Order: sequence, then C-alpha cells, then structure tokens
Amino acid sequence: AQSVTQPDIHITVSEGASLELRCNYSYGATPYLFWYVQSPGQGLQLLLKYFSGDTLVQGIKGFEAEFKRSQSSFNLRKPSVHWSDAAEYFCAVGRGFGNEKLTFGTGTRLTIIP
Amino acid sequence: SAVISQKPSRDICQRGTSLTIQCQVDSQVTMMFWYRQQPGQSLTLIATANQGSEATYESGFVIDKFPISRPNLTFSTLTVSNMSPEDSSIYLCSAQVGAQTTEAFFGQGTRLTVV
Repeated sequence: AQSVTQPDIHITVSEGASLELRCNYSYGATPYLFWYVQSPGQGLQLLLKYFSGDTLVQGIKGFEAEFKRSQSSFNLRKPSVHWSDAAEYFCAVGRGFGNEKLTFGTGTRLTIIP
Repeated sequence: SAVISQKPSRDICQRGTSLTIQCQVDSQVTMMFWYRQQPGQSLTLIATANQGSEATYESGFVIDKFPISRPNLTFSTLTVSNMSPEDSSIYLCSAQVGAQTTEAFFGQGTRLTVV
C-alpha cells in the first residue's frame, strides 16, 4: 500500500526567506504526486502535481517541487515566502492516472514571522 | 476545473444523532470522494461515491455508519450516523472531473463537533 511521510509537523520561516517542505512516499508503481495547501477555514487547493517528464515541476503561487525517484522524495520549495503563505501543506500520492483516490501525508503547518 | 460547495460549513451536534452533509459540484463529474480530517490529523478517504451504484468504502469505514448517496452527476451526500465525540472532524468532499483527469478538486469542508 502507498504511504506518504511529511517529517516536519511545523515549520517557522521568516518572511522573504526560502522554504523547503519535505515529502517522502512509498508506492510500488509510478507515483502520481501532489502538493495541496489548506488555508484556515478553506478547502484544499492544488499547488502542483507530477506524473512524468521533467522532474522539476512548477506550480502556482511561486512554488516548485522536485521529484527524486532515487530518494522517493517530492519536496516543495519556494525561494521567498510571503505572509500569505502561512497555511497547512499536504503532500499526497495518487493511485493512478484517472483515479483520484489520494493518500495524504500528515501535513506541515507553516508559520511566517515578520 | 470545478467548484465544489458543501453544506453545512460547520455544525455542533448531540451524540446519538445523525448529520447529512451535502456536496454540490458546478459541473458533471465522474467520481466523487469523501474524506475525513480528524483534529490534527491528515485526510483519510472514507469512500468513493459512484453515480448509479453503491459507494465503495475504504477499510475501517462502513455503510451503516457513513451512508452515501449519489443521485446524479453533480451531487452527493454523506451522513454521519449515530454520532459520538470521536466523529468530530472536518469532512471534505472531492471530485474528479472527467474519466482521465489528473486533478481532484475539494470543497471547503464541513467542521463537525459532536458534544
């Protein structure tokens, strides 16, 4: 069965600093990987996704993620965070193209300090 | 894309009662999903709501506790039955647009507190 690990429960970053959120997955086949963001009181919004091709994926809001098969990782990065980036971030793995049953990691809560 | 609306957005319920959560999508979708997010936890898939057939439940979830309806291609309901405080969670509806798609859209969730 697939699983997703987000080792960091909570990260605090200064505004303007760079950010990296870690995600490791376990899946027996080609993984379909996603990053979602959940702002307080809001639903989940897709930041980016990876299925194949270029291992560096660009998303919305200036986020990017890099798929590293050898490390089973799909880390999310942003070069300069904004106060509005404070939210909960979830990494997820899908069970296959066209099958959107997602297995989520436990999430990383991001706090931005001035 | 798809816009998903859930009702109610939040509720406080007495133990032993039931609550039905509605999920409306602004376009026809093939598959809809219900997730639970317990306090401080990640999202866990409850079931897949299939139009024209019974819902498919994940391990640990049963129809008697979480009956699901899917009367058409734009609407689904999840009922949390005979509630206990352990059912206090955020319940999220999700939809897959098209048979061969790569993105799931989510509603804003229903925050349920059972007292």
